[in-house]
Amino acid sequence: GAVVSQHPSWVICKSGTSVKIECRSLDFQATTMFWYRQFPKQSLMLMATSNEGSKATYEQGVEKDKFLINHASLTLSTLTVTSAHPEDSSFYICSAREPGDYEQYFGPGTRLTVT
Amino acid sequence: AQSVTQLDSQVPVFEEAPVELRCNYSSSVSVYLFWYVQYPNQGLQLLLKYLSGSTLVKGINGFEAEFNKSQTSFHLRKPSVHISDTAEYFCAVSARASWGKFQFGAGTQVVVTP
Repeated sequence: GAVVSQHPSWVICKSGTSVKIECRSLDFQATTMFWYRQFPKQSLMLMATSNEGSKATYEQGVEKDKFLINHASLTLSTLTVTSAHPEDSSFYICSAREPGDYEQYFGPGTRLTVT
Repeated sequence: AQSVTQLDSQVPVFEEAPVELRCNYSSSVSVYLFWYVQYPNQGLQLLLKYLSGSTLVKGINGFEAEFNKSQTSFHLRKPSVHISDTAEYFCAVSARASWGKFQFGAGTQVVVTP
């Protein structure tokens, strides 16, 4: 089946620093990838939709300068949290979709803690 | 725009008993429907999906769901649960013209006890 990986699985960083999270589709080409944020015991909130080779589309209320998304290849998308603050601490999940498929395949998530 | 309502935030159930998780959606256009399961500190795993065809959909781990267009519902059922079914369950809807963008429900926590 379609497998999506994320790296790192957890990261702790100091306030004011930047952290990059990678999302990879391991056995398929993903023209579209999605980035979600999940707070404890809450649902997934879509942050942005990333299409290979073009700029990401951010959801309303998501700061595009703070959450930089790059989808440079058909198997890799990255989310960079710039100048992280404690309120950015969360569980970040990516998903990927094959062309013509409406199902999303989810990565295992990345736990970010900003101290 | 679409919205999804999961009517129960938590469902306690005894092992080997049946369980039903309720999901209602609203949309002005045709949609695809999905149920995902999430175990603690993990990503989401697809249980089943409705794209078209038979309204009764069978998924993995003995789960099934029925699409009811008139009631705009997509309830998930399992006739006999195991301890390992303890997890968070999310219903999701995607408009057919939205290029795969999902709207998730708030989730239902299923707690199975012996």
